[in-house]
Amino acid sequence: EDKVVQSPLSLVVHEGDTVTLNCSYEVTNFRSLLWYKQEKKAPTFLFMLTSSGIEKKSGRLSSILDKKELFSILNITATQTGDSAVYLCAVGSNTGNQFYFGTGTSLTVIP
Amino acid sequence: DGGITQSPKYLFRKEGQNVTLSCEQNLNHDAMYWYRQDPGQGLRLIYYSQIVNDFQKGDIAEGYSVSREKKESFPLTVTSAQKNPTAFYLCASSIGRGAHQPQHFGDGTRLSIL
Repeated sequence: EDKVVQSPLSLVVHEGDTVTLNCSYEVTNFRSLLWYKQEKKAPTFLFMLTSSGIEKKSGRLSSILDKKELFSILNITATQTGDSAVYLCAVGSNTGNQFYFGTGTSLTVIP
Repeated sequence: DGGITQSPKYLFRKEGQNVTLSCEQNLNHDAMYWYRQDPGQGLRLIYYSQIVNDFQKGDIAEGYSVSREKKESFPLTVTSAQKNPTAFYLCASSIGRGAHQPQHFGDGTRLSIL
């Protein structure tokens, strides 16, 4: 059974802290791994990873994929209250061309 | 502005009633998807469509139906056969048909039972 597991389920940090969110997967015929940020409504796209060891970076956020160990991490440095959200990990499969989502990590950043 | 529009934002269903959730996109995307989001369970795929007049069942299609008569539109009907329809429903689209294109999401419809 295809599955995506995110950890931790929730996290509370203070502004300025650095956080690491984890995503492990068992998905048949892996094609891609995507990270989304969901605040109230629509998830917004952050990164797509397809190759191992290549870091994707956008401002204070960065992510990397390990296809051998089947996991990805999302790092956020110097956290701000605006980073408070649920972070979703999704893995794309070439079988059926569909995505499998994890349950998300709820991040709360306290001023 | 280009994007995905879901309507209504909130919807209430009576027992035995079918309801239809609207999803329209003006991004000229080929693929469209419907997900259900429940607390603690993440997003689960209901149906998806990669081209007009064609769609496939996802993991939890029972009690739902869809149509794809136009590229821009992918409505979802929640039928009376769906016994636990209370959830947050998200529509998404992507430019290509494969699992290597990011999905763009609408703002969702929250469905509740009266």
